[in-house]
Amino acid sequence: DIVMTQGALPNPVPSGESASITCQSSKSLLHSNGKTYLNWYLQRPGQSPQLLIYWMSTRASGVSDRFSGSGSGTDFTLKISSVEAEDVGVYYCQQFLEYPYTFGAGTKLELK
Amino acid sequence: QVRLKESGPRLVQPSQTLSVTCTVSGFSVTSYHVSWVRQPPGKGLEWVGAIWKGGSTDYNSALKSRLSISRDTSKNQVFLKMNSLQTDDTGTYYCAKHSGGYFDYWGQGVMVTVSS
Repeated sequence: DIVMTQGALPNPVPSGESASITCQSSKSLLHSNGKTYLNWYLQRPGQSPQLLIYWMSTRASGVSDRFSGSGSGTDFTLKISSVEAEDVGVYYCQQFLEYPYTFGAGTKLELK
Repeated sequence: QVRLKESGPRLVQPSQTLSVTCTVSGFSVTSYHVSWVRQPPGKGLEWVGAIWKGGSTDYNSALKSRLSISRDTSKNQVFLKMNSLQTDDTGTYYCAKHSGGYFDYWGQGVMVTVSS
């Protein structure tokens, strides 16, 4: 199975500051079709996960442009510019290259 | 409008079988794959398995021997059955719609407690 390893945030993050969450995969997620199958989800307290970023850097419909994804085949970053109260929750990276579709352990964002 | 809604028992006894239903609207289960994902209390997400739009299935190998995923296309429903439940199967079970390499819609989840 592909192992996904997420970094921690220096919580709490001051409102208005930027935050970056890292994620590393044990295998390159770059497919031969040119897409990198790395997704980011946010799970707000008491809610289901929601898709933020797919294919490493494509924002999902309705997601604020304060969220951006970047990376290589195995190292990825989710950047949140100007953190707001609604960004609080746990962020998960997920690989979709092959099943089982494994997730990282999650990175919690708390607001100061 | 795409919606997924899980339903099922909130309490299951150890060694018994869990049966959860995912009722979808806004899309057809014959046009999109659907996965099950679970989350123990306070912990992370685990992919359980999927039913592909053609009707075949794939399961997490760690759970495969206890799992069955099926569907009723006439009712646009997907079913999860897991037998021989143990306390560490306690958690929230979500169904999620696939789209080109990601889960674009999730249900609200159903919290299942395994306890006698």
